[in-house]
Amino acid sequence: KQEVTQIPAALSVPEGENLVLNCSFTDSAIYNLQWFRQDPGKGLTSLLLIQSSQREQTSGRLNASLDKSSGRSTLYIAASQPGDSATYLCGASGSRLTFGEGTQLTVNP
Amino acid sequence: EAGVVQSPRYKIIEKKQPVAFWCNPISGHNTLYWYRQNLGQGPELLIRYENEEAVDDSQLPKDRFSAERLKGVDSTLKIQPAELGDSAVYLCASSFQTLYDEQYFGPGTRLTVT
Repeated sequence: KQEVTQIPAALSVPEGENLVLNCSFTDSAIYNLQWFRQDPGKGLTSLLLIQSSQREQTSGRLNASLDKSSGRSTLYIAASQPGDSATYLCGASGSRLTFGEGTQLTVNP
Repeated sequence: EAGVVQSPRYKIIEKKQPVAFWCNPISGHNTLYWYRQNLGQGPELLIRYENEEAVDDSQLPKDRFSAERLKGVDSTLKIQPAELGDSAVYLCASSFQTLYDEQYFGPGTRLTVT
């Protein structure tokens, strides 16, 4: 059974900092990995999807990497802004999309 | 383009009562998912449909939960009777063709069972 872990559970940084969120998964037989953000009381918004054959994906200030062999993915956020404050979830896609518990990010002005 | 639509957004019911949630996926998306998200946790899949067929319902508590997707478009998730432990956010998502396509989520229905 796939298990996904996200570290840290919570992170508070000053505006402008570059930061890294970590995601690890136990079963490397995945088809892709997705990163989402979730604002309080809202659904999930897809940020990046990395296919298993890819090493990384970039969208604006976001860069996600994938290392299947070690069961790890990272989400890099450059020049963080208060609007980036949200919970970030990763999901590993095998027979189903399995999520971690998320990292709650707070960016302070 | 409209996203995934869910209703109601909030529902408060007493235990043992029935409740139903409705979802309209993104137009043209063949695959539809229902997830349950408990507070402080990631979503967990309840059921996945490809067109009208439920292809993964292994995590759906079938004694009290049921779902349908008529004509391969809208879907309804029902709980009868509801228990206190069913309090959670119920999320609907859709993807274009398969499980391996990007998933798009609706805003969810927050259920409170008293």
